[in-house]
This record gives sequence, structure tokens and C-alpha cells, in this order.
Amino acid sequence: QQQVKQSPQSLIVQKGGISIINCAYENTAFDYFPWYQQFPGKGPALLIAIRPDVSEKKEGRFTISFNKSAKQFSLHIMDSQPGDSATYFCAAGRGSTLGRLYFGRGTQLTVWP
Amino acid sequence: NAGVTQTPKFQVLKTGQSMTLQCAQDMNHEYMSWYRQDPGMGLRLIHYSVGAGITDQGEVPNGYNVSRSTTEDFPLRLLSAAPSQTSVYFCASSYSGTSASDTQYFGPGTRLTVL
Repeated sequence: QQQVKQSPQSLIVQKGGISIINCAYENTAFDYFPWYQQFPGKGPALLIAIRPDVSEKKEGRFTISFNKSAKQFSLHIMDSQPGDSATYFCAAGRGSTLGRLYFGRGTQLTVWP
Repeated sequence: NAGVTQTPKFQVLKTGQSMTLQCAQDMNHEYMSWYRQDPGMGLRLIHYSVGAGITDQGEVPNGYNVSRSTTEDFPLRLLSAAPSQTSVYFCASSYSGTSASDTQYFGPGTRLTVL
């Protein structure tokens, strides 16, 4: 059973546009929701993370929105740039055991110049 | 600070061969994990460890063994490689996660092909 479901699988956005990626989780014990960015040939790197005590977290052009009752969270990339073209993974887990994260299947984002 | 290092970067095995993927971190992290990444499947947890001498299974542990004798090292062993184990393997490490800034740091990966 997939613990974290991510959509869309791929996303094409024009430069300057908004990219939105959505995730849903099943386990209500999860209390840590990170987003990772991965470039080809590299390991995933943390982009931004949220804990359920807040509904939104913003870091620069990247924002996580979190809906605890719906068990959903999303990543918004404002003013998308060609350098943002990468694969994005959402994940969920328990903050007390960061070694055990469940990942979504990924979204390949392409930003056209 | 080298972060999380993995060796080798690439490996080709024949079915039935054994090998060990190496992972080391120099950040004194308690937690270390192994994930495999397959196209369209995201990252799936194989095994993880919360400290030296303590390991546990993840989502896809079959065919893999781990041990953790030191805080720094967390090798992954394939005892009898199968084509289904063709994948990219990532090692990750982190603190316990009690701070809002805690996160997992990933290594560069090992690309394994089993013929």
C-alpha cells in the first residue's frame, strides 16, 4: 500500500508561472512532511519541510501548504525558472524517526524559458 | 565535511554474485538509511538504523542485509544479486529529528546493474 501519493507525474510550466505539486498521505501518525529536489545523476536534496503545527511555510519562491484534515500537502513554486527543472519528491514520516521516510513517486518539472 | 559518501558510483554484477555497497557519514548522525530508486517508483526504504548495533527493515528489505558496527558506516550487502535489484541506491543520514531544522542528507548514489 502506497503511503504517500503524488501528482502530477510530470509538469510543464512556462518561465514565470506557478508550479503546483500535490501529495496525499494515509498515516495520521506522520508529523514531518519534506519536499526534496533531485537533479539528474544527483541525490535528493531537501528543499523545504513542514510540521503539522502550521498550515503554510514559505521559503523564498517555495511554499508548502498543509491541510491536516484532508491529509494533503502541496508545493507551490512561484515565478518558476528554467533552473527549477528537476524531479520533486514529497515525503512523509515521523519527525522522531527521520531515518524512515515514505516517498511519493516524484514529479518531473520542466520550466520552459 | 564530506557529508554522506557512497562507493562505488557504478557497478555491474552477474546474477548470483554478492557485493557490498559502502556508505559513510562524518556528521555524527544517529540515523542512517538505505533507499532504492526505480523509474516511476520514487524512493523506497530498504533498511535503516537508529544507532550503532541497531537496524530495522524498511519497505523492501528482501535480498539485502545490513549491519552497523560504528556510527559512521552503514554498508548494504547483496548476498545473491538478482536482475530485480538493478536500481540506483541512495544512502542517507540524519539526526533524530527533534529539531525543526533536522533533515535527511543523501549521498550521491550507486548505480547497480545486475545482468
